[in-house]
Amino acid sequence: AQSVTQPDIHITVSEGASLELRCNYSYGATPYLFWYVQSPGQGLQLLLKYFSGDTLVQGIKGFEAEFKRSQSSFNLRKPSVHWSDAAEYFCAVGIGNDMRFGAGTRLTVKP
Amino acid sequence: EAGVTQSPTHLIKTRGQQATLRCSPISGHTSVYWYQQALGLGLQFLLWYDEGEERNRGNFPPRFSGRQFPNYSSELNVNALELEDSALYLCASSSRGQGATEAFFGQGTRLTVV
Repeated sequence: AQSVTQPDIHITVSEGASLELRCNYSYGATPYLFWYVQSPGQGLQLLLKYFSGDTLVQGIKGFEAEFKRSQSSFNLRKPSVHWSDAAEYFCAVGIGNDMRFGAGTRLTVKP
Repeated sequence: EAGVTQSPTHLIKTRGQQATLRCSPISGHTSVYWYQQALGLGLQFLLWYDEGEERNRGNFPPRFSGRQFPNYSSELNVNALELEDSALYLCASSSRGQGATEAFFGQGTRLTVV
């Protein structure tokens, strides 16, 4: 069955530490891949997207993600987390006219 | 350029009533999507409208319905409200099938059913 999995429901990191949020998908073909961020009570904002080409994608706010076809993964990374990065992060995959979202990972940043 | 706008921001209704939520897409976008985000349940796909027609529907009962107008704005109607319908309802728009391009989200309507 087609699915998007974010294995980590909640992650806590210290400010200045590195961050990696995991995303795995299960589709027959390579989908389009997205990461969105949602601040409390707000809508979703696109961080970055992968359609084709270079598998390392740069996004806004210093985030990047790497597409690994062999692992069906699209993990989000940031080398140094800021307190303002505390939010919920959603991975999404698109196939044709359909888009599926993962359950989200809540990021807490410790001072 | 104006983003996706949703109204109202907050809505409080009594169980059994009807709620109407509105969404205006980004200019030039023909597709509108509705999602329900209940506490702890992530984003649940509700409905997809494109060019005035319903293209896809999530696993929700028929009392969740909607429509898309000629100007591509959209309404989501929830009839016979139940307490568990309390959630943030997000609208998104895109220029074509959502899977092939990014979706832009509104700020959401917080529906509270009491």
